[in-house]
Amino acid sequence: DIQMTQSPSSLSASVGDRVTITCRASQDISNYLAWYQQKPGKAPKLLIYAASTLQSGVPSRFSGSGSGTDFTLTISSLQPDDFASYYCQKYNSAPWTFGQGTKVEMK
Amino acid sequence: QVQLQESGPGLVKPSETLSLTCAVSGGSISYYYWNWVRQPPGKGLEWIGYIYYNGDTYYNPSLKSRVTISLDTFKSQFSLRLRSVTAADTAVYHCSRSGRAADAFDLWGQGTMVTVSS
Repeated sequence: DIQMTQSPSSLSASVGDRVTITCRASQDISNYLAWYQQKPGKAPKLLIYAASTLQSGVPSRFSGSGSGTDFTLTISSLQPDDFASYYCQKYNSAPWTFGQGTKVEMK
Repeated sequence: QVQLQESGPGLVKPSETLSLTCAVSGGSISYYYWNWVRQPPGKGLEWIGYIYYNGDTYYNPSLKSRVTISLDTFKSQFSLRLRSVTAADTAVYHCSRSGRAADAFDLWGQGTMVTVSS
């Protein structure tokens, strides 16, 4: 199976900071990569699909980039509502697998 | 607005079968893939499998021998059965939707916690 490795596993940041999370696939997955946000006790929320396409209703401060094996989620200016965990997911071929997550905490 | 809601027992004994249902409201069950995903406490997400509206299924090979996902289009719901459970199956179980087999999950249920314990 293709493994998805996220880094960092956690980070501390302040409101207004630019935040970058990376996700690396163990094999080429083209652009079949999604990013989700999850808050404690809540369902994951789709932010980005096809590596860089913003899901409807998601603020434009979120962006995604990458192709092949290396991907990035960027929050251009961190807002109070953005403190959460973030997961990448590959979906080029089953089984769909997720990264281990990145927890964004308040500094 | 389409919503997903999981339901089922919160406690299952070891070696027994975990059974959950996901009710789809506010929209059609047709032309979508319906997934189950689980998350052990404090850990990441694991995809369990999907069922297409026509009944086709695909399971994670790591769980395939113990999993069955079924669909009831008349009740607009789909179900998960996981046999021979152990403590390692303790998790929050989410149902979710995707528009194609190879697609992101655009809609999720809140999740239901299932504990495996005697």
